[in-house]
Amino acid sequence: SQTIHQWPATLVQPVGSPLSLECTVEGTSNPNLYWYRQAAGRGLQLLFYSVGIGQISSEVPQNLSASRPQDRQFILSSKKLLLSDSGFYLCAWRQPTGELFFGEGSRLTVL
Amino acid sequence: ELKVEQNPLFLSMQEGKNYTIYCNYSTTSDRLYWYRQDPGKSLESLFVLLSNGAVKQEGRLMASLDTKARLSTLHITAAVHDLSATYFCAVEKSNYKLTFGKGTLLTVNP
Repeated sequence: SQTIHQWPATLVQPVGSPLSLECTVEGTSNPNLYWYRQAAGRGLQLLFYSVGIGQISSEVPQNLSASRPQDRQFILSSKKLLLSDSGFYLCAWRQPTGELFFGEGSRLTVL
Repeated sequence: ELKVEQNPLFLSMQEGKNYTIYCNYSTTSDRLYWYRQDPGKSLESLFVLLSNGAVKQEGRLMASLDTKARLSTLHITAAVHDLSATYFCAVEKSNYKLTFGKGTLLTVNP
């Protein structure tokens, strides 16, 4: 069966520190992968998506970057966090029906 | 740019009552999805609607899609407390990207 893992689940980081969130998928190959962010009390914003290794599309200019070093690994990074980067980060992969299957999420608080 | 609007954004219901959440979108699309999010949790897929006139039902929830009107509805029948959550609709654009509505926070009161 297909599963998706995200870590860390929760982190608190100071402004200006780096960030690395990791997402891995099991039980499927060459998945379309996505990073969404949900700010407090708001909807979901698509940050990045990837259709294959090394292929990253950015949706919103911002302080973040993404990489896909392996087929089933998707990483979200920042060199210097801002307060506005706080939020709930969700990784997802696209199923054949088109729906997204989400990971458990990573909650980031920037202080 | 695709816009997805849900209403209401906040809904307080009594147990046993019926209600409908609406999802309007701005450009042509034949794929619409409904998700549920419990507080502090990730999103769980509820329904996938892939064509005009599609209707899906699961328990007390029923979703429908009218692509000509660019409208989907999520109907709640005889609400129970366990249905309290935030419900999102999402519409697929080109390149397999989903645009989400802002969500409807549903509270079912005894």
